[in-house]
Amino acid sequence: AQSVTQPDIHITVSEGASLELRCNYSYGATPYLFWYVQSPGQGLQLLLKYFSGDTLVQGIKGFEAEFKRSQSSFNLRKPSVHWSDAAEYFCAVGGIGAAGNKLTFGGGTRVLVKP
Amino acid sequence: GAGVSQSPSNKVTEKGKDVELRCDPISGHTALYWYRQSLGQGLEFLIYFQGNSAPDKSGLPSDRFSAERTGGSVSTLTIQRTQQEDSAVYLCASSAGQGLSYSPLHFGNGTRLTVT
Repeated sequence: AQSVTQPDIHITVSEGASLELRCNYSYGATPYLFWYVQSPGQGLQLLLKYFSGDTLVQGIKGFEAEFKRSQSSFNLRKPSVHWSDAAEYFCAVGGIGAAGNKLTFGGGTRVLVKP
Repeated sequence: GAGVSQSPSNKVTEKGKDVELRCDPISGHTALYWYRQSLGQGLEFLIYFQGNSAPDKSGLPSDRFSAERTGGSVSTLTIQRTQQEDSAVYLCASSAGQGLSYSPLHFGNGTRLTVT
């Protein structure tokens, strides 16, 4: 069965500082990996996705993530956080085939940004 | 429309009543998903529709939950005899093709269900 673990429930970071959110997944085949952001009162927005190829993927809003197969990880990073990055972030895994068409989400990491 | 539309945005109901939640996916999207987000929790998969194929109902938590998708477009999630533990935000998402590699999920803003 596929699963996603986001070990950090809350992270507080100062504006301008770097941010890294951890994501570990379990999936029996080649995974498709995603990061979504949910801002207060808004729906989930796709930040970036990994399907294949280059293991460092760039997304919107200055975010990037690195796929590490050996560690079953897909951590999200941003070099310099803005106050508008305060939100909840979800990592998700899916794959090919009928069973993989549904995304399995982690529990989320809530990011607070200090001025 | 421009995005996935869900209605109502908020629903308060009494325990034991039935509720219907509606989802209008992005026009042309063949795949439609329902997820549930409980307070402080991640997203829990409920059901997945793809075109005219039989839906994947593997995430429905009990037989009180059902969903249908008419004409390959609008979907309705029905919860019968609601319980307090059903209180959550119900999210709908759609995507353009078969398989996640074709198009990621686009989410609606959800319906917040409160069972009193």
